[in-house]
Amino acid sequence: QSVLTQAPSVSGTPGQRVTISCSGSNSNIGSNSVNWYHHLPGTAPKLLMYSSNQRPSGVTDRFSGSKSGSSATLAISGLRSEDEADYFCAAWDDSLNGVAFGGGTKVTVL
Amino acid sequence: VQLVESGGGVVQPGGSLRLSCAASGFIFDDYTMHWVRQVPGKSLEWVSLINWNGGNTYYAHSVRGRFTIARDNRKNSLFLQMNSLTTDDSALYYCARDNHSGYDRWIDYWGQGTLVTVSS
Repeated sequence: QSVLTQAPSVSGTPGQRVTISCSGSNSNIGSNSVNWYHHLPGTAPKLLMYSSNQRPSGVTDRFSGSKSGSSATLAISGLRSEDEADYFCAAWDDSLNGVAFGGGTKVTVL
Repeated sequence: VQLVESGGGVVQPGGSLRLSCAASGFIFDDYTMHWVRQVPGKSLEWVSLINWNGGNTYYAHSVRGRFTIARDNRKNSLFLQMNSLTTDDSALYYCARDNHSGYDRWIDYWGQGTLVTVSS
């Protein structure tokens, strides 16, 4: 059972816009920024978004992030086959004094 | 930035293991570091963090009292001593770097992970 809640999967067709939601509580997303990661099995996770809506250098602007209250959303526009991966959210949790993670959402491109 | 974990393996329940992480490509003692684990096919679980000089450490409830995080800034290395291991500790263990700006903080780099299997 993850601290942050994500839907297990989402799918879309090439070119479509999909969104991935991440729900938390006052002690994590409600009080702190959200970060998003792209993960392929067997590889190191890659930072996709930090401070809720900031893209690291090199990350395409097809990815965007937002936060409202205790929830956050990652949007992928112009969906491509190479976007197939697991995406998970994370946020500092003041109660844990550590990082809370979401369960991950698998994106499938149909 | 490169983070390379080692030390994983198969250990019996109740046993111990020491994980290492060799860091390169950045000024190691400028950064807080984390250990995060993932059971294959399951979600990530934060395990522990240590601040730049080792003066502050935090642990997940599930490992507190059994695991100890440490670092050697002279050798650009991070460690995780794991004692009293149970089957629930079986996972891929990642070494990860913390970054921050103002009140915001995030993990910006991860290693490839080292696999720990606790089995009789």
